[in-house]
Amino acid sequence: GIQVEQSPPDLILQEGANSTLRCNFSDSVNNLQWFHQNPWGQLINLFYIPSGTKQNGRLSATTVATERYSLLYISSSQTTDSGVYFCAGGGYQKVTFGIGTKLQVIP
Amino acid sequence: DTGVSQNPRHKITKRGQNVTFRCDPISEHNRLYWYRQTLGQGPEFLTYFQNEAQLEKSRLLSDRFSAERPKGSFSTLEIQRTEQGDSAMYLCASLVGGSGAFFGQGTRLTVV
Repeated sequence: GIQVEQSPPDLILQEGANSTLRCNFSDSVNNLQWFHQNPWGQLINLFYIPSGTKQNGRLSATTVATERYSLLYISSSQTTDSGVYFCAGGGYQKVTFGIGTKLQVIP
Repeated sequence: DTGVSQNPRHKITKRGQNVTFRCDPISEHNRLYWYRQTLGQGPEFLTYFQNEAQLEKSRLLSDRFSAERPKGSFSTLEIQRTEQGDSAMYLCASLVGGSGAFFGQGTRLTVV
């Protein structure tokens, strides 16, 4: 099956700083998403981005499908951005998650 | 429709008991997924339905696990003869093609 590698595994940021999270896939994927897991465990959709670039407020994502990676950019980070960020990708039936990037934003 | 709904939110059970979880997907979504997540790990795929048909099942899903989606609407995940290793968050997601998956709040199972 597809292997999903996320980096970095842990990240500590000062409030206001920018960051880039990366996701590499071992094979081509037909769908790709970024999620934020809140402290209560729910996975919140950030982007559905099998290719191209999307932006939503302070967050943006870029997927280069031909090179099998995706990037999530967080600008002007806030303490509420803290949590675990997952990317997930795969075919039309099974989607595989990475182990996540644990982000802590400190005031 | 406010999203994917899972019940119960928390379940504590004694080892050896059976438990059943329910997932109500977003109404127009024909695909439904179950995942399991343990502490510090990403969600692991368990099984997938398209409408009422169970099209894929992970090797993680032992014979003690069974999932159904009667009439292609809500889904249930049953675990028989629970073991302590079954303690985890069980997540349900639904999607319609091209939109990505939307997850419920999960059911946290603790087997004591």
